[in-house]
Amino acid sequence: QKEVEQNSGPLSVPEGAIASLNCTYSDRGSQSFFWYRQYSGKSPELIMFIYSNGDKEDGRFTAQLNKASQYVSLLIRDSQPSDSATYLCAVEGGGGADGLTFGKGTHLIIQP
Amino acid sequence: DTAVSQTPKYLVTQMGNDKSIKCEQNLGHDTMYWYKQDSKKFLKIMFSYNNKELIINETVPNRFSPKSPDKAHLNLHINSLELGDSAVYFCASSRNRDEKLFFGSGTQLSVL
Repeated sequence: QKEVEQNSGPLSVPEGAIASLNCTYSDRGSQSFFWYRQYSGKSPELIMFIYSNGDKEDGRFTAQLNKASQYVSLLIRDSQPSDSATYLCAVEGGGGADGLTFGKGTHLIIQP
Repeated sequence: DTAVSQTPKYLVTQMGNDKSIKCEQNLGHDTMYWYKQDSKKFLKIMFSYNNKELIINETVPNRFSPKSPDKAHLNLHINSLELGDSAVYFCASSRNRDEKLFFGSGTQLSVL
């Protein structure tokens, strides 16, 4: 049974600061990693995906992957109040047979 | 045009009833999914279909049955609804099982 762990929060960050969201996963064979943002009452929307070790940047977002430590993180620079949401980490199984497994999400609050 | 659309958005019904939720995607994706998000916001996969073939089936009661008339549609039928079935159900699709998911807007099911 694959597991994806996230701190549920809430994580409170002042506006303009860097928000750091963390995720660990149990399946060492996992190859693909995703970060979704979900506003209350809305559906999850993909904001980042990463397949290789290291950093991947897209605008204010940076995803970091360390397969040896089975750890993936999301950094949000210059945090805005509109970034307040639940961030879901999702991992794909190594054999591609199980779809995506989601963590329980981290509730992020950006304080104006 | 909405990429993944599901109907209805809200569904309120009595225990013991049978209901269906419809899902359609216009992305040309090969794989479609149903996810359940409970009151604690935990998003858990229920089913996935790839080219009209069921490829995974988590520990979901057999009262739930997915039906796919073609690769653009994956409907969810639920028989003998129970109180514990109350949740938000999300349809999703991906180009293949290893790739990012695109979610529908969700169906909030309330069983009274």
